[in-house]
Amino acid sequence: EVQLAESGGGLVQPGGSLRLSCEASGFTFSIYWMHWVRQVSGKGLVWVSHISSDGSDTNYMDSVKGRFTISRDNAKNTLYLQMDSLRAEDTAIYYCARDTAMAHNFDFWGQGALVTVSS
Amino acid sequence: SYVLTQPPSVSVAPGKTATITCAGNKIGSKIVHWYQQKAGQAPVLVIYYDSNRPSGIPERFSGSNSGNTATLTISRVEAGDEADYSCQVWDSSNAQGVFGGGTKLTVL
Repeated sequence: EVQLAESGGGLVQPGGSLRLSCEASGFTFSIYWMHWVRQVSGKGLVWVSHISSDGSDTNYMDSVKGRFTISRDNAKNTLYLQMDSLRAEDTAIYYCARDTAMAHNFDFWGQGALVTVSS
Repeated sequence: SYVLTQPPSVSVAPGKTATITCAGNKIGSKIVHWYQQKAGQAPVLVIYYDSNRPSGIPERFSGSNSGNTATLTISRVEAGDEADYSCQVWDSSNAQGVFGGGTKLTVL
C-alpha cells in the first residue's frame, strides 16, 4: 500500500526556519518525481515545488524561490522541504504528493503537515 | 503564469448531474487533471489526462477538455460527492504546477 507521511510541521516565528519531511512506503520511491503542495485554511491548493527522481531537477513557485529548498534521500525513501525566512503568508497545510509521470498529476498524497508562522 | 478559473460553488440535487468548469487560455491544448477533497482530508485524484478515471473512481465521474474550458461531470450525484473539486495542469513553459481555485460542490 502506497503511503506518504509528513512530519516536521509546527509554530515558527516570522523569519524562522522549519524542515518538513515526507516518508514514503509501499512503492519504489527512487523512480518517482515528488511535489509539495500547500493549502491555506479555507482556500485552494497551491503547487509549491517539485523534484525529479534523482534530485537533479527542481523548481519552485515564484514566492518561495530563494527561501525554500526541496531535496530527497532515496536511500531513506524521504522527501524534504527546507523552509527559511518564513513569512506569515507561508502559513498553510503542506502536502507531499507523488507524481504519476503522466503529464505531472498527483496520484497519492500525504495527510499534510500544518505550518504556522506567527509571533 | 498560467491561470485556471473555477466557479466558487455549484449546487445540485441528489440524482442529478453536476458540471464543474475550469477555464484557462487554450486549456484544450493542455492536459487537465481533477481532484476531490472532502472536509479535513487530503485531495484524491478523480480524473487524469482530461477524461481518465483512476481505479476505484466510479464511472459517474467523467471529464472533457476543449477550447478554453475543461469540464468535470458527475452523474447521478450522491450525498457522498459533496466536496471541493480542483482542476490542475502542468505549465511546461515554467515547469510549474497550476491549480484552479477550487469549486465547492453542495448536494441539496
